Amino acid sequence: DAGITQSPRHKVTETGTPVTLRCHQTENHRYMYWYRQDPGHGLRLIHYSYGVKDTDKGEVSDGYSVSRSKTEDFLLTLESATSSQTSVYFCAISRRGTNEKLFFGSGTQLSVL
Amino acid sequence: AQKITQTQPGMFVQEKEAVTLDCTYDTSDPSYGLFWYKQPSSGEMIFLIYQGSYDQQNATEGRYSLNFQKARKSANLVISASQLGDSAMYFCAMREGGGTSYGKLTFGQGTILTVHP
Repeated sequence: DAGITQSPRHKVTETGTPVTLRCHQTENHRYMYWYRQDPGHGLRLIHYSYGVKDTDKGEVSDGYSVSRSKTEDFLLTLESATSSQTSVYFCAISRRGTNEKLFFGSGTQLSVL
Repeated sequence: AQKITQTQPGMFVQEKEAVTLDCTYDTSDPSYGLFWYKQPSSGEMIFLIYQGSYDQQNATEGRYSLNFQKARKSANLVISASQLGDSAMYFCAMREGGGTSYGKLTFGQGTILTVHP
């Protein structure tokens, strides 16, 4: 157990509405990541954070923003959800001294109708 | 070009037999890391094994070993003595570069492994 909680676990929303996904960790790790998983694409990096207020874009960041005002919380926001953002979203942390392993949360299934 | 290629969409193996899942990668960076993750039907992502580009020995973790052939740019996962619980999706992933690339992985499309009793 990597101490990562994602909320909500499932969400259905309509096109054009804002959506925020939350990742909460209890182990005070600096590095946190958001990935999305889609069939045929594996997982792709959306945004990442190396500390409070230190965030940057990943491979598929268009349409997403993030915020990290506290070490334990990393928020992913879809400002205006589109059907192409229907996906499973995973939050991950990396622990110092673990050969750069990523430890993932349980994922959020998001459906945009 | 695909950075990580998993050419086997699905694989079948008999319980207690060994199975190899293929992964080839493409990078020009001399420093990189290769990972394998397992995703059972429950959906969680489970770390299995890691190989660094400068590691001299092939990585092993229990029944998992990574057959690292640097010149061929391949990083195949070998699962020995397959168990029914090994049935899952398996992802190969790569991190290119050093510290600033920490945690930024590129994943392959995955291979679904089915273990038959």
